[in-house]
Amino acid sequence: GEDVEQSLFLSVREGDSSVINCTYTDSSSTYLYWYKQEPGAGLQLLTYIFSNMDMKQDQRLTVLLNKKDKHLSLRIADTQTGDSAIYFCAEVLFTGGGNKLTFGTGTQLKVEL
Amino acid sequence: DVKVTQSSRYLVKRTGEKVFLECVQDMDHENMFWYRQDPGLGLRLIYFSYDVKMKEKGDIPEGYSVSREKKERFSLILESASTNQTSMYLCASSLWGLAGGPRETQYFGPGTRLLVL
Repeated sequence: GEDVEQSLFLSVREGDSSVINCTYTDSSSTYLYWYKQEPGAGLQLLTYIFSNMDMKQDQRLTVLLNKKDKHLSLRIADTQTGDSAIYFCAEVLFTGGGNKLTFGTGTQLKVEL
Repeated sequence: DVKVTQSSRYLVKRTGEKVFLECVQDMDHENMFWYRQDPGLGLRLIYFSYDVKMKEKGDIPEGYSVSREKKERFSLILESASTNQTSMYLCASSLWGLAGGPRETQYFGPGTRLLVL
């Protein structure tokens, strides 16, 4: 399909792991990103993975990439209430003027006590 | 730190009004972008610019225009606002590049929530 797809909502208990999934469109994307949007704020880059990697770990965050299925996931270990936010995956697409990002629909993560 | 600022956090306009949304970045970035964000639809690219006076249509340019007279400033214009343009508008900037790596990541402003009555 044409869209970068994510499930809309995820609810977890504090201390559990969260897994946010994304299906992207362009198998030639060189980088895939995860952005976080806290309430009332713009997006901030959370982490990224280069396309020749299968996995990247960064403290509590683990990114898994399955290029064959064009599937990307973000795992947050020991989820905290401060992790409540909307998470967007994004893929890089190249244009004549440089590169641009195509974003997924966003997954709203709610962390419950 | 990169800073992207948007002129208003909240804006209320009437149908048919001309609306200007302003975005300024302070990191000498070549690229600037305008998105709208709607629940369940994510971010959709309206227009982007990779140089002064240059502009490219994004995925949903209809009903919008842009202006980039100076490198640091990118304006989004709604020529005649309509209720279906009620949305959150996000501006972003990035370094120009073809590698797509984290050095070229986009930095976002806080957004302008526009309500068209």
